[in-house]
Amino acid sequence: KQEVTQIPAALSVPEGENLVLNCSFTDSAIYNLQWFRQDPGKGLTSLLLIQSSQREQTSGRLNASLDKSSGRSTLYIAASQPGDSATYLCAVNNAGNMLTFGGGTRLMVKP
Amino acid sequence: GAVVSQHPSWVICKSGTSVKIECRSLDFQATTMFWYRQFPKQSLMLMATSNEGSKATYEQGVEKDKFLINHASLTLSTLTVTSAHPEDSSFYICSAREQSPYGYTFGSGTRLTVV
Repeated sequence: KQEVTQIPAALSVPEGENLVLNCSFTDSAIYNLQWFRQDPGKGLTSLLLIQSSQREQTSGRLNASLDKSSGRSTLYIAASQPGDSATYLCAVNNAGNMLTFGGGTRLMVKP
Repeated sequence: GAVVSQHPSWVICKSGTSVKIECRSLDFQATTMFWYRQFPKQSLMLMATSNEGSKATYEQGVEKDKFLINHASLTLSTLTVTSAHPEDSSFYICSAREQSPYGYTFGSGTRLTVV
């Protein structure tokens, strides 16, 4: 059974810092991995999708890497802003339809 | 990109009544949709997989008679919480998978409060 862990569970940083969120998974036979953002009381917004054959994806200030063999992914946020404050969720898609979510990292960026 | 519309965004109902939540894929067809439940400060818990034209597949521990799922078309799935009780109060989110590049898109969620 796939298990996904996110570290840290919470993070508070001053504005402008570069930061790294970590995601690890136990079963490396994944189809793809997706990073989401969730604001309080809202649904999930997809940030980046990495296919199993890819090593990284970039979108603006966000960069996600994938090391399938070691069961790890990182989300790098450059020059963090207060608007980046949210919960970030990592989700792994094994062959099939089901997503397995990590517990999330609650990020607070202070002005 | 793909858009999934979920309605209503919030609902308050009395104990014993039923509530229907709709999930629509607006610009793509979804043969499969997913229903999640989320408790405060916790991650998402998959409740069931909704399959167009056939019965939903429920996760272990989820009461199929309480959480009725209908997926009658390729763009619409509904979740009906029957005989709602206060413990059913939660945040419910649906999602669907795009055909390409196989990423998942989520609705905006429904906050259900049973009083």
